[in-house]
Amino acid sequence: NAGVTQTPKFQVLKTGQSMTLQCAQDMNHNSMYWYRQDPGMGLRLIYYSASEGTTDKGEVPNGYNVSRLNKREFSLRLESAAPSQTSVYFCASTRQDTNQPQHFGDGTRLSIL
Amino acid sequence: AQSVAQPEDQVNVAEGNPLTVKCTYSVSGNPYLFWYVQYPNRGLQFLLKYITGDNLVKGSYGFEAEFNKSQTSFHLKKPSALVSDSALYFCAVSPSGTYKYIFGTGTRLKVLA
Repeated sequence: NAGVTQTPKFQVLKTGQSMTLQCAQDMNHNSMYWYRQDPGMGLRLIYYSASEGTTDKGEVPNGYNVSRLNKREFSLRLESAAPSQTSVYFCASTRQDTNQPQHFGDGTRLSIL
Repeated sequence: AQSVAQPEDQVNVAEGNPLTVKCTYSVSGNPYLFWYVQYPNRGLQFLLKYITGDNLVKGSYGFEAEFNKSQTSFHLKKPSALVSDSALYFCAVSPSGTYKYIFGTGTRLKVLA
């Protein structure tokens, strides 16, 4: 029962470097999400994919891109990392009905120097 | 704007005493309401949800939540706190008809032995 798997767990980048965060779920969920968690700010939605083949911007999409590779996988890309993107990134998934809870991965801790 | 408020950054309670973690929301229509718990270096874990029906919802680990439509509140409660309940708690709202979840900023619960 893997649930939602995120890789890598930790990463340190230099300003201007690029990186892709990977997320995969094995629950046959339709909807997938990327959040960032910063102290005192809760979780903020970066992008989401309501179903395979669709992606939409969330609250804080600037500086990020996403790809819904297939039903299982949803990746988040930082094209040119900035120190303000230092955060903990969480991927989540759910069935398409939003009366269902989200299932979260254990996060990627990203530091940008 | 739609929002979720958790007015307390931290709640301290003695072991064995009842606990309450507060949540209020500002969302149009009849939203779906959730509570999650986060332990250190882990993703969020679902505790309970309110969709419709009885205003008192029971969830995992002895937690329950009381929905009050007139006060737009969804407070998390537990009759007798355990030290192991110490964690970060998030309230979330999903406006009906959307694929989004709006999170509060989180409340750190500290249960003292």
